[in-house]
Amino acid sequence: EAGVVQSPRYKIIEKKQPVAFWCNPISGHNTLYWYLQNLGQGPELLIRYENEEAVDDSQLPKDRFSAERLKGVDSTLKIQPAELGDSAVYLCASSLDGGQNTGELFFGEGSRLTVL
Amino acid sequence: KQEVTQIPAALSVPEGENLVLNCSFTDSAIYNLQWFRQDPGKGLTSLLLIQSSQREQTSGRLNASLDKSSGRSTLYIAASQPGDSATYLCAVDNYGQNFVFGPGTRLSVLP
Repeated sequence: EAGVVQSPRYKIIEKKQPVAFWCNPISGHNTLYWYLQNLGQGPELLIRYENEEAVDDSQLPKDRFSAERLKGVDSTLKIQPAELGDSAVYLCASSLDGGQNTGELFFGEGSRLTVL
Repeated sequence: KQEVTQIPAALSVPEGENLVLNCSFTDSAIYNLQWFRQDPGKGLTSLLLIQSSQREQTSGRLNASLDKSSGRSTLYIAASQPGDSATYLCAVDNYGQNFVFGPGTRLSVLP
């Protein structure tokens, strides 16, 4: 069974340029997460989807970040325009949740963004 | 607000040693706790998930325990090997709302 798939693995852009990351979760997983990880730190949640609904986007900087999960399967995270401080690893994760219990979390390999 | 800390921040041990990694959280009202491993430049790999009704989980040389009342979890690694070298992160599930991660413990196992 395929795991969580992310692309691109690496992206280098100049500041003020747009960038987009794509994630395909494990088949059947209803919950999808986007996390941001800075060097030497644990991941921090950007947005959480249950099916196609964004149920927690309180930490998403909405002035420049946007995300979508059409049809409740794969998802895209966009940054426009990118700033120097956006350089980080963007991780996608998915889980199979039931009721209020969160299932085991599975991560993709991440997309490393460098903004010059 | 849930806060998760991990001690030590870094650890270096000779091959063959048994070791314990610690994870502490401030709000004991959690559902699950999950331990992950992260190799440099890679994503997080799930090691163990301790669900709300459980106190420990075991997988091979790994054993994780959870004490909600004291806000602590430990990951025990038996007979460490150089291949165990990685960063180990714990994450707590705040009543199904979100996983909050610790900063990780960077482990080096020397041959």
